[in-house]
Amino acid sequence: NAGVMQNPRHLVRRRGQEARLRCSPMKGHSHVYWYRQLPEEGLKFMVYLQKENIIDESGMPKERFSAEFPKEGPSILRIQQVVRGDSAAYFCASSPLGQGASNSPLHFGNGTRLTVT
Amino acid sequence: DAKTTQPPSMDCAEGRAANLPCNHSTISGNEYVYWYRQIHSQGPQYIIHGLKNNETNEMASLIITEDRKSSTLILPHATLRDTAVYYCIVRVPTQGGSEKLVFGKGMKLTVNP
Repeated sequence: NAGVMQNPRHLVRRRGQEARLRCSPMKGHSHVYWYRQLPEEGLKFMVYLQKENIIDESGMPKERFSAEFPKEGPSILRIQQVVRGDSAAYFCASSPLGQGASNSPLHFGNGTRLTVT
Repeated sequence: DAKTTQPPSMDCAEGRAANLPCNHSTISGNEYVYWYRQIHSQGPQYIIHGLKNNETNEMASLIITEDRKSSTLILPHATLRDTAVYYCIVRVPTQGGSEKLVFGKGMKLTVNP
């Protein structure tokens, strides 16, 4: 049973380019969460998605960042016109249940480390 | 904001039990306590969670006080590979009516040989 798969593991972009981060949840999981971790800091929630729906994007920056989780395929976190401050580790987590699922742990991938030069 | 507080760091001798404390005095009656750990720069690893009763699995035990305002994660025989940042988390509601994990600063456990 494969875990949460994220790719690429490492991504280098120049300022102004676009970054696309992919997350394939665990089999049978239809809920995806994205978190960002800046160097030497804790994880910060960004967005929570179900298939084809954004449920909570309260942690997403208002500009340049977007996320989707289509009916088919992985979830994508997209960062347009990257800046050096976007350099961070981006983690995806998935769970089989969402609403009212306090008893359902999230399982995390090993992240994508974005470096903006 | 995280609903839990943990000491910033703790040391433990290899082979000894590691008892990691956590305070969650504002926890609600139906909120679970979760523990995760992050080893170096890997993704957070789920350890255990509980509501009221003590829980045990192959990784650890979780002791929750009767008033549920604090808990202790117990690693019965700590190894060097248990050195990590440990997060005690209470899930908070999302805008969509579900819940999300809000990570605090966690506690750095160092297991010494």
